[in-house]
Amino acid sequence: GAVVSQHPSWVICKSGTSVKIECRSLDFQATTMFWYRQFPKQSLMLMATSNEGSKATYEQGVEKDKFLINHASLTLSTLTVTSAHPEDSSFYICSASGGRASREQYFGPGTRLTVT
Amino acid sequence: QQQVKQSPQSLIVQKGGISIINCAYENTAFDYFPWYQQFPGKGPALLIAIRPDVSEKKEGRFTISFNKSAKQFSLHIMDSQPGDSATYFCAARSQGNLIFGKGTKLSVKP
Repeated sequence: GAVVSQHPSWVICKSGTSVKIECRSLDFQATTMFWYRQFPKQSLMLMATSNEGSKATYEQGVEKDKFLINHASLTLSTLTVTSAHPEDSSFYICSASGGRASREQYFGPGTRLTVT
Repeated sequence: QQQVKQSPQSLIVQKGGISIINCAYENTAFDYFPWYQQFPGKGPALLIAIRPDVSEKKEGRFTISFNKSAKQFSLHIMDSQPGDSATYFCAARSQGNLIFGKGTKLSVKP
């Protein structure tokens, strides 16, 4: 139980375009979802926290107009990277908590974004 | 105050040996201390976790030792195997948010 999926697993997009990443909790209702960013050989950095039906709370230094987060249902959250630039290339990981998963965060497999 | 310091940055252990990774924290409001294992290109997976009212927790070959007074906790991997080669992250939770250590890359040599 407590499985979290992400789609796509990897994506390549051109500079200036937008890309959407989906995060789904497959077997539990995720009242809270978290989005992280991880650069190569570095730790996970929390970007934002979203509660279902509410606006996301962004960490300091994260541009909310660039990284749009939607958590419209208890099983789906999306991260849209708008007007992507090469420096946005990174590994994006979501996690979810809620329901049976309680306060534990269960992580998705990550999405590798490359902006050319 | 939110920082979690992890060491060493990298670790090489012979098969069958004990791998030890240490973490330290400052914020006494942390209420939960998980360890995650991450393979290249994959998301982190929860390995084992402990709450501050417990001094030790063991699950199979993995043990967490927790020293509340010293604000330190460590992961011990007994009988380390090549399949354990991965990056390990300690974390601490405050108000529902996880703060991660910088990670330890473990290599277990056959």
